[in-house]
Amino acid sequence: KAGVTQTPRYLIKTRGQQVTLSCSPISGHRSVSWYQQTPGQGLQFLFEYFSETQRNKGNFPGRFSGRQFSNSRSEMNVSTLELGDSALYLCASSPMGGSGETQYFGPGTRLLVL
Amino acid sequence: AQSVTQLDSQVPVFEEAPVELRCNYSSSVSVYLFWYVQYPNQGLQLLLKYLSGSTLVKGINGFEAEFNKSQTSFHLRKPSVHISDTAEYFCAVSGQGAQKLVFGQGTRLTINP
Repeated sequence: KAGVTQTPRYLIKTRGQQVTLSCSPISGHRSVSWYQQTPGQGLQFLFEYFSETQRNKGNFPGRFSGRQFSNSRSEMNVSTLELGDSALYLCASSPMGGSGETQYFGPGTRLLVL
Repeated sequence: AQSVTQLDSQVPVFEEAPVELRCNYSSSVSVYLFWYVQYPNQGLQLLLKYLSGSTLVKGINGFEAEFNKSQTSFHLRKPSVHISDTAEYFCAVSGQGAQKLVFGQGTRLTINP
């Protein structure tokens, strides 16, 4: 099976712009979670989607949003970018999103905000 | 709410030496525990996880971890490391009933020849 894929892998934006990141989960997986990784804050949970519905949300401002499509692919959007949004954004998928299920991570999208 | 503390930010060891990466967690509810590894410029890969049952969990690449409920710890061990084990290691917890992972700050393992 192909793993989790994320596009693009690298992205450079300027402050105030918006960005959309894409994630394709492992075939058959219906749960997609997003995490932000920064040197200062480490790995932080953004949100989780299952069957096109957001089930859980982390402690991030409303500028961070996401959605999931009927084929389980997911996108996350960050509006009005700030310098502090520079990070590695990781997507993870699992079959049903149950607690204790292994989450399979993609390689990430590295976003640099100038 | 859960939290995870990885007691060492960096651990240097010599090749073929044993290693222990320490992880302590805090939670008011029962948790599931995970160790993930991140190689440079890659995503995270699961090494092992504890859900229930035997407190000694064996994972991939010769790693194992022991769940200690009284000490709220989940330390990762390997009896003999290899250069290829150079990576960052993350301990994580999730509460039962939630998919969300709470990660520690990571431990950078450096293997010296």
